[in-house]
Amino acid sequence: GEDVEQSLFLSVREGDSSVINCTYTDSSSTYLYWYKQEPGAGLQLLTYIFSNMDMKQDQRLTVLLNKKDKHLSLRIADTQTGDSAIYFCAEGNDYKLSFGAGTTVTVRA
Amino acid sequence: GAVVSQHPSWVICKSGTSVKIECRSLDFQATTMFWYRQFPKQSLMLMATSNEGSKATYEQGVEKDKFLINHASLTLSTLTVTSAHPEDSSFYICSAPPPLAGAYEQYFGPGTRLTVT
Repeated sequence: GEDVEQSLFLSVREGDSSVINCTYTDSSSTYLYWYKQEPGAGLQLLTYIFSNMDMKQDQRLTVLLNKKDKHLSLRIADTQTGDSAIYFCAEGNDYKLSFGAGTTVTVRA
Repeated sequence: GAVVSQHPSWVICKSGTSVKIECRSLDFQATTMFWYRQFPKQSLMLMATSNEGSKATYEQGVEKDKFLINHASLTLSTLTVTSAHPEDSSFYICSAPPPLAGAYEQYFGPGTRLTVT
C-alpha cells in the first residue's frame, strides 16, 4: 500500500516557526492534507493542497509541495501554545486516505 | 458545512461481547463511508469502505467476520466489533466523502473510543 512518513516529534519555542515534514509514495494523489488532532479528540482539517500546486498559504500556515521528491511540508508561523497537538499528513484518492504516523508538536514557553 | 456524527463517543465492554458503533451523515447523503482505527499514539489505518446497498470492501489484514459493516441507509453506516478482545481497544473514526463531487474535503466523525476489559 501507500506509505506516508513523518518525523515523530517537534519541540518549538512559542513565537517561533514550526516546520513539519512528510514524504509520501503515491504520486497519483489528487490532494494532500494536513490534519490536527488534540488529545482525546477527532481530526481537524487544517489545510490541503492540490497536487498541481507548489505552495499554498493560509494565514499562519504555509504548505509546500515538491512533487518530484514526493515531499510535503507544513510551516506554522508564530507558533502558539494552542498549536500543541499531533499533526498528520495524508494523501489519497477517492477520499480513501493514507496517513502518516503523526508529528507531536510541543510548544514551550 | 456537512457534519458526520458517531455514537457512542466512548464505550467500555467486556471481552467476548459485541459492540456496535454508528456513523451518521447528518445533513447529506453518503453512499460511501470509510472506517479507520487509531491505536494509542499511532496513525489512522483505513479498515474498510462501507457501501450503501452492497458489501463493504475491507483492507488487507482486516477480518471481515470480526468487524461487521452494514450500510443500511444513505445516512447510516454501522461497525460491529464481534467477540471483542482487549487488543480491539482502539479509537474508531468514520468519514464520508463530500456531498459535492470533486470537492476536496471529506468529513470525519468525532471518533468512538472502545475499551475492552
